[in-house]
Amino acid sequence: DAKTTQPPSMDCAEGRAANLPCNHSTISGNEYVYWYRQIHSQGPQYIIHGLKNNETNEMASLIITEDRKSSTLILPHATLRDTAVYYCIVKTSGTYKYIFGTGTRLKVLA
Amino acid sequence: NAGVTQTPKFQVLKTGQSMTLQCAQDMNHEYMSWYRQDPGMGLRLIHYSVGAGITDQGEVPNGYNVSRSTTEDFPLRLLSAAPSQTSVYFCASTKDGGNEQFFGPGTRLTVL
Repeated sequence: DAKTTQPPSMDCAEGRAANLPCNHSTISGNEYVYWYRQIHSQGPQYIIHGLKNNETNEMASLIITEDRKSSTLILPHATLRDTAVYYCIVKTSGTYKYIFGTGTRLKVLA
Repeated sequence: NAGVTQTPKFQVLKTGQSMTLQCAQDMNHEYMSWYRQDPGMGLRLIHYSVGAGITDQGEVPNGYNVSRSTTEDFPLRLLSAAPSQTSVYFCASTKDGGNEQFFGPGTRLTVL
């Protein structure tokens, strides 16, 4: 599975959009991009995943570049409860080995 | 649905002791897995199972055993605990090939 690179930390003002980048330059054609987050010491929570088209759900939007070498997770109106570590993971759908990495620690500021 | 449950929440062991971390899910998920998370690190896959009677190794399997006799349960056994196994352990399950994993609340293990 391809490796991902994320900034170690980011700040975002409450109510503003949080844009979390992820580089995955070695991604292959059948690999999906997944995002999870971990709030404090809880178990990680699934956010969204995509292959090449942009995806949106009730939590976030996922924008994948046309060459698929990078992506951005967008939290449209960040709240204090979105403070968490966000993990970008690349994985082949149907396989089960997730490689989590160290993620981006997002701090939402009041 | 209770989702994914883990017991115990906290455990302290002495070096050399053995114990079993319990994990259960009531969502009829085929896939279950165990991760460990050391301070300041991401999660690392220990073992996983794609169905009852089938298990396989992840990134860091040494020192741990698993079995899967039912769909619901996936216990993790530490045969002879070592201080290097001090960590937070998470169990997860998923229905359909790993698209959305559901995680348990974790077990915080300290080995003295």
